[in-house]
Amino acid sequence: QKEVEQDPGPLSVPEGAIVSLNCTYSNSAFQYFMWYRQYSRKGPELLMYTYSSGNKEDGRFTAQVDKSSKYISLFIRDSQPSDSATYLCAMSENYGQNFVFGPGTRLSVLP
Amino acid sequence: DVKVTQSSRYLVKRTGEKVFLECVQDMDHENMFWYRQDPGLGLRLIYFSYDVKMKEKGDIPEGYSVSREKKERFSLILESASTNQTSMYLCASSSSLSQHFGDGTRLSIL
Repeated sequence: QKEVEQDPGPLSVPEGAIVSLNCTYSNSAFQYFMWYRQYSRKGPELLMYTYSSGNKEDGRFTAQVDKSSKYISLFIRDSQPSDSATYLCAMSENYGQNFVFGPGTRLSVLP
Repeated sequence: DVKVTQSSRYLVKRTGEKVFLECVQDMDHENMFWYRQDPGLGLRLIYFSYDVKMKEKGDIPEGYSVSREKKERFSLILESASTNQTSMYLCASSSSLSQHFGDGTRLSIL
């Protein structure tokens, strides 16, 4: 079993839809949870991070962490074609160290 | 804005060659990382460094080495390239939770 699992997609949605992206993990010691967005032929860029359980909102993006279920989610409201990218979750036990990445979910938002 | 620059976007080498991938960051970050990215496997950590002349093995260090002689520069070395090292290589730097990535080097070993 991989340490971090993520549905690879591709996920195709119409413009304006609510998108839900998810990761599951096996290591209960993970405390820091991050979402990265990676456009084609570019490096990943950090979208959001959360510490421990709970929700965090930033504009159209909401990150949720459920440590009891070892499950994290990223919601995108009012999705736009510019959101089309691969989304990677990442986790770590300690601040700024030893990040473990999921394989990524490829998202296409169709105009 | 933080800029992480990788020396080559595309590189083609032959098996057995010694290959150098260079990475430079301009934000005085202590931490630097080398990953490879393969379809279905995501990013896997090869080596990382928390300070000049310091290096730590990641999850898949076999066949690789690194050098960090200056704070801003972190080099990945393939000692004797093999076809299973064909991949996308990504360098990152960080001073916190946020890792800043370069745009990657797509390396093909023939």
